[in-house]
Amino acid sequence: KAGVTQTPRYLIKTRGQQVTLSCSPISGHRSVSWYQQTPGQGLQFLFEYFSETQRNKGNFPGRFSGRQFSNSRSEMNVSTLELGDSALYLCASSVQDYGYTFGSGTRLTVV
Amino acid sequence: SQQGEEDPQALSIQEGENATMNCSYKTSINNLQWYRQNSGRGLVHLILIRSNEREKHSGRLRVTLDTSKKSSSLLITASRAADTASYFCATDAGGYSTLTFGKGTMLLVSP
Repeated sequence: KAGVTQTPRYLIKTRGQQVTLSCSPISGHRSVSWYQQTPGQGLQFLFEYFSETQRNKGNFPGRFSGRQFSNSRSEMNVSTLELGDSALYLCASSVQDYGYTFGSGTRLTVV
Repeated sequence: SQQGEEDPQALSIQEGENATMNCSYKTSINNLQWYRQNSGRGLVHLILIRSNEREKHSGRLRVTLDTSKKSSSLLITASRAADTASYFCATDAGGYSTLTFGKGTMLLVSP
């Protein structure tokens, strides 16, 4: 069974640009969550999608957005990048009460 | 915001020794999960313990949960160098909630 696939693995962007990250969940998993990990703030929840609907959103500015497609694949977008957006972005898919399976993450560096 | 706190923040032991990490949390939970992360890569799900369970085992892992004290512990027996990683506890409040992570414990197992 394939795991959670995140692309790309690494990304370098310039301040002010925008970026789109992709996540393919485990087949059959309809819930996809996104997390940001930084040394200072740790792991912080961004948003969660279930059957193309955003069910939960973390405390991030509107520059952070996401969506989920009918095949459960999800994308997140960050517009007008800031240096502080440099982080490891993790996607996870889950079935309720059975733990989350995380992808390897996308390492975003904003210069 | 972080739900819980792991203790200690860092732990250094020799191969063959046991490693114990503690986690405290603040609000009611549906379940508590432990994850491992190697060198800033994706999180690996280790074990999930439900709020009505007190202890759970998986291979060399033993997890306890005390909901009255809002705390959990992870014991890794007979540690190996390959266990070197960061360990995170995460709480799930149930329903449409998402995982809330602590800041993690960095475990170093020396040969």
